[in-house]
Amino acid sequence: QVQLQESGPGLVEPSGTLSLTCAVSGGSISSSHWWTWIRQSPGKGLEWIGEILHSGDTNYNPSLKSRLTISVDKSRNQFSLKLTSVTAADTAMYYCARGYGDSRQGFDYWGRGILVTVSS
Amino acid sequence: DVVLTQSPLSLPVTLGQPASISCRSSQSLVHSAGNTYLNWFQQRPGQSPRRLIYKVFNRDSGVPDRFSGSGSGTDFTLNISRVEAEDVGVYYCMQGTHWPPLTFGGGTKVEIK
Repeated sequence: QVQLQESGPGLVEPSGTLSLTCAVSGGSISSSHWWTWIRQSPGKGLEWIGEILHSGDTNYNPSLKSRLTISVDKSRNQFSLKLTSVTAADTAMYYCARGYGDSRQGFDYWGRGILVTVSS
Repeated sequence: DVVLTQSPLSLPVTLGQPASISCRSSQSLVHSAGNTYLNWFQQRPGQSPRRLIYKVFNRDSGVPDRFSGSGSGTDFTLNISRVEAEDVGVYYCMQGTHWPPLTFGGGTKVEIK
């Protein structure tokens, strides 16, 4: 059974960098799945942030692309997100998930999520 | 970006009665290769989302057969034949045909009357 676990700071200062890691267990990050970040602002819907393949290929949401970096660490079976120049609008529950194949068909495994608040 | 509009926003349902959620897309979701990448997710209170249906009508393993998906082009529907207490939550449609970005609908909250 594949499991994903998000980790990182729960509080980030405005204009700072949000950094999160997703540890994958029960499966290899080198499989043919895209590994994805999705966020959900308080009381709102879901927003796809971006994804990465084990090769390092990435796809990003154009609305976040200029501030976003997603990377993979195959040796640790994990992938990471960095979002720079954060504002209060980046406050959200951040989920990592596994794409079902190329993610067009959605996500079959999700982490429990981590709440990140942007505040001084 | 493709906009997915769900209706209703809130759906109070009597236990054992059917429920239907609509998802309308701003563009046809038929991919050039012939597939239609419209998926449905359920998010129970306090939980992560869970995929129920992929590519319009394919039910995920472990999903009760009271859930079904249908539709084509720009109009899609998630049906619950007989609502049970465990079905309470928010339901989202998601498209993967025109991306990036992958986009989600705004959600429909199902509650028991």
